[in-house]
Amino acid sequence: DADVTQTPRNRITKTGKRIMLECSQTKGHDRMYWYRQDPGLGLRLIYYSFDVKDINKGEISDGYSVSRQAQAKFSLSLESAIPNQTALYFCATSDRTGGRDEQYFGPGTRLTVT
Amino acid sequence: DAKTTQPNSMESNEEEPVHLPCNHSTISGTDYIHWYRQLPSQGPEYVIHGLTSNVNNRMASLAIAEDRKSSTLILHRATLRDAAVYYCILYSPNFNKFYFGSGTKLNVKP
Repeated sequence: DADVTQTPRNRITKTGKRIMLECSQTKGHDRMYWYRQDPGLGLRLIYYSFDVKDINKGEISDGYSVSRQAQAKFSLSLESAIPNQTALYFCATSDRTGGRDEQYFGPGTRLTVT
Repeated sequence: DAKTTQPNSMESNEEEPVHLPCNHSTISGTDYIHWYRQLPSQGPEYVIHGLTSNVNNRMASLAIAEDRKSSTLILHRATLRDAAVYYCILYSPNFNKFYFGSGTKLNVKP
C-alpha cells in the first residue's frame, strides 16, 4: 500500500463550486504539505503543517484553505473554484530527522475547473 | 526567495554518465541543496541532498562547488528508467521551506 494517498485522483468541477482534496499518510510523519504544479512552473507550496495544531501559508495560499484533522490527514479546500486553479495538486509529508526533511509525495490529484 | 537555475532539458545515452547542473548563486549559509526527480505521471521522489561536502548514495552523487553557488547531480550510468524531470531545490531550515524551480527534463536514448 502507498505511504501517501490522495483522493480523488481526478476531478472535474465547475466554477464557483466548493471542492475538497484529501491526503492521508501512513508514515507517521508530523509534517504535511500541499503543492500545486502547473506546466513549466515546477511545484509551488500552498500550505504546510508541522503538527495537528499548526497551519502555515505557503507561496500561493489565496483561494485555498486547509484542515489538519489528525496527524495522518491533511485536506485542501477550494472554497469557490475558478478556472486558473486547474492544476495538478500534490500532497507531501516529511520527518525532520537530522535536518534532512526528505519529502514523500503522493501520486497527485488532477483538478480541472470549467 | 532562494532560487535555482537549471537547463530546461538534457539528453543522454543509455549506460553513460549524466551530469545535471544547477546554479544557486543566492544560496545562504544554512540552505541545503536537495535534488528530487519526477517520473511521468508520478509525484516527485527524493534523490539526494547535501550542505557543503560531496555526497554519494545508491541513486546518484552530488558534487557541490566550493563556494556553494552551484552543484551537479551525477547519474553514473543512465538507464531508460532515469528519464524524468530533475529538480534542484534549496531547502531553508530557518524558514522550513522548499523552493522548487522548473527542473531539467532528462531524456535517455537507448
